[in-house]
Amino acid sequence: KAGVTQTPRYLIKTRGQQVTLSCSPISGHRSVSWYQQTPGQGLQFLFEYFSETQRNKGNFPGRFSGRQFSNSRSEMNVSTLELGDSALYLCASSLAASGAQETQYFGPGTRLLVL
Amino acid sequence: AQSVTQLGSHVSVSEGALVLLRCNYSSSVPPYLFWYVQYPNQGLQLLLKYTTGATLVKGINGFEAEFKKSETSFHLTKPSAHMSDAAEYFCAVRYNFNKFYFGSGTKLNVKP
Repeated sequence: KAGVTQTPRYLIKTRGQQVTLSCSPISGHRSVSWYQQTPGQGLQFLFEYFSETQRNKGNFPGRFSGRQFSNSRSEMNVSTLELGDSALYLCASSLAASGAQETQYFGPGTRLLVL
Repeated sequence: AQSVTQLGSHVSVSEGALVLLRCNYSSSVPPYLFWYVQYPNQGLQLLLKYTTGATLVKGINGFEAEFKKSETSFHLTKPSAHMSDAAEYFCAVRYNFNKFYFGSGTKLNVKP
């Protein structure tokens, strides 16, 4: 079974631009979560989607948004990019069928550099 | 508020030595507990998890962790370190359908 895929793997943008990142979960997985990873802040939870609905949200400004499609694929969007948005963005999927003990499976991440 | 603390941002051991990475959580309600490993330029890979039942959990690559409710700990161990174990390790907790809380990570260095 194919793992979690994220596209693109690397991205360079300039301040003020917007960016869209894509995540395809493992087949059959209905939950997708997004994380931002930086050397200073570590892994920070952005949001979780389940059946096209946002189920949980982290403490990020409204410039960060996401959505999930009927096939469980998810996108996250960052508008008006700032230098501090440079990070590795990780997507994780899970079945979301049996509760919190489920394992999240992570993709390789998209590394975003904002200049 | 729930949180996860990993003691030691960097741990260095010699090849063949015991690996001990510490994780403590702060909650009166025992969470579900996970250890993940991250190799450079890669995503996170699950090492092991504790949900219910036996408190000693065995994972991949010879790692294991013990859930101690009285100490609110979930330390990760491996009897004999290998060079390939050099990576960053993350402890994580989750409560019901709430989000995952990750520790700040511990970078493991293995010396030859």
